[in-house]
Formats: sequence, structure tokens, C-alpha cells
Amino acid sequence: SQKIEQNSEALNIQEGKTATLTCNYTNYSPAYLQWYRQDPGRGPVFLLLIRENEKEKRKERLKVTFDTTLKQSLFHITASQPADSATYLCALPDQTGANNLFFGTGTRLTVIP
Amino acid sequence: DAMVIQNPRYQVTQFGKPVTLSCSQTLNHNVMYWYQQKSSQAPKLLFHYYDKDFNNEADTPDNFQSRRPNTSFCFLDIRSPGLGDAAMYLCATSRRTGNNQPQHFGDGTRLSIL
Repeated sequence: SQKIEQNSEALNIQEGKTATLTCNYTNYSPAYLQWYRQDPGRGPVFLLLIRENEKEKRKERLKVTFDTTLKQSLFHITASQPADSATYLCALPDQTGANNLFFGTGTRLTVIP
Repeated sequence: DAMVIQNPRYQVTQFGKPVTLSCSQTLNHNVMYWYQQKSSQAPKLLFHYYDKDFNNEADTPDNFQSRRPNTSFCFLDIRSPGLGDAAMYLCATSRRTGNNQPQHFGDGTRLSIL
């Protein structure tokens, strides 16, 4: 299996700043890594996928990096807004090739107006 | 809009009384997953169906069963719920297994045990 650690349970930042969330894994290097957003009482929503041969992926104000040497992914939200407040989960596949995901416990981001 | 729908959103059952949670999808995806998520914890995969093929995770208790009568519907049956089974149960789908497949989640059913 895979052990996944997300840097902190909670992160508070000021509106307009860049939020940086960390996801570290300890065992095998996955073929890809996914990030999801989860709002209270809702299911996770897929945001971005980055493959092992990609260093960086961007989507609007979101940027994800993937460093297989460090066994780490960083998730950035630039020009953060209060509407970005949510829990962000990273997820890695198992080794079966079946797309079964191991999730981290998430980082709860609060953007303060 | 194509989506994953879970019913009910909230379910209360008694200790030991069987309960069934349901999930339907309009995405026509091959794979359907069931996850258990306890408060402030990561979603934990219980099992998944690839079409009609059932795949159980090694540490999923026997108390949990699943049925998929057709592509669109999948059910989670808890035969004798214990207090430790109180959690949010999430259903998800993906187009197929393998790389590069995001999962699409429903909004979950929150199960309480009295």
C-alpha cells in the first residue's frame, strides 16, 4: 500500500496570496497523482491529474508539480479567493493498474477576505 | 447534466439492522467504486465493480457487500451495522480502469447508527 501525508490539517491564508499545499508519499512511485477538492458534506471533485513524466501541470489559477525524486507533489492556488476555501485531497493509484486510489487525509484551506 | 447520484443523503439505522445505500450514474462509466469516509479521515476504498466484475479490497469487512444489477446502479449493503460503521459513504465512477482516469463522486450518504 501507500502512505500519504499532506503537510498540514489546516492552512489559513489571506485573499490574493498563493496557497501551497504539499503531498508526500513514502512507498512506490505512482504512474500519476490526482488532486481533488472536497467541500463540507459533499463528495470530492476532481481538479488535476499529473503523470510521473510531467514536472508541472496548470489549469487556470491552479498549478501542480510532481517530483518523483522527492516523492512529493505541490499544489498551488494563485490569487486565492474565499471561494477556494475547502479541503484538498491528493490521491495516488495502487500498483494493480486498476485505478484504485489511496487518498490523503487532506488539507483544509481557509482563505481570509 | 451527467452525474453520480446517491440516495438517501442521510440514513439512520439501528445497531445490527441491515441497511442498503444506493448509487446511480448517468455517465455510462464502466467502473463504480464505494468508499467509506469517517470524520477528518481520507476516503477508504471498500470495493469496486468493473462492469460486472466485483473486486473487494483485502481489508473490507465481510459485513459489507455490494450489488451492481446494471451499468447505472450500484448498491452497498451493510448486513449488521455496528457503531464503528457510522461514516459518510461515497460512490464514484470512472470510465475504465488504468491510467489517467479521474473519478467522479456523488455527494455521499451519511450513515448514523443508533
